[in-house]
Amino acid sequence: RKEVEQDPGPFNVPEGATVAFNCTYSNSASQSFFWYRQDCRKEPKLLMSVYSSGNEDGRFTAQLNRASQYISLLIRDSKLSDSATYLCVVNDGNNNDMRFGAGTRLTVKP
Amino acid sequence: DGGITQSPKYLFRKEGQNVTLSCEQNLNHDAMYWYRQDPGQGLRLIYYSQIVNDFQKGDIAEGYSVSREKKESFPLTVTSAQKNPTAFYLCASSMSLGDNEQFFGPGTRLTVL
Repeated sequence: RKEVEQDPGPFNVPEGATVAFNCTYSNSASQSFFWYRQDCRKEPKLLMSVYSSGNEDGRFTAQLNRASQYISLLIRDSKLSDSATYLCVVNDGNNNDMRFGAGTRLTVKP
Repeated sequence: DGGITQSPKYLFRKEGQNVTLSCEQNLNHDAMYWYRQDPGQGLRLIYYSQIVNDFQKGDIAEGYSVSREKKESFPLTVTSAQKNPTAFYLCASSMSLGDNEQFFGPGTRLTVL
């Protein structure tokens, strides 16, 4: 079983749609959780951290479910510029290693 | 502007040759990392360094070597022992090991012919 698993997609949605991605992790000792965004052939960039109580940043909402060991990212009112690959990242609490999912690819179409 | 740079952006080498990828940061970060990214897979950690003159193997260190002689620099050498070196290589840094946010360089796409 992979340490961090994501649905690879692709998710193809129209502009204005709401789309959600899930990510599961295997290490119950994991301490920190993040969503990174990666544009095609570019480097990953931090989109948002995920807090235990859930958090929102504009059109983006992240949630954490420790009991089921998954995190989610919800994007409301999708824009064309949201098209990218979204990487789920989990900090391995034992070794301070960041574990990356393979990413979920999103394409927002006009 | 503060940031992390990698060079070159694209690199082609013949099989059997060693090649060194550059990574420089002016963010005054202590920790630096090297990852490789292959299609359909998450980033995999090659080596990381917590501080100058110290570095540790990651999950896939075989066939790679690094040095950390200066805080700003963390070059990666891909040796001929690396069986499948063609990949996208990403360097990252953070204020300290395990810090919440890692900042990535633009990456080097290595193709071994």
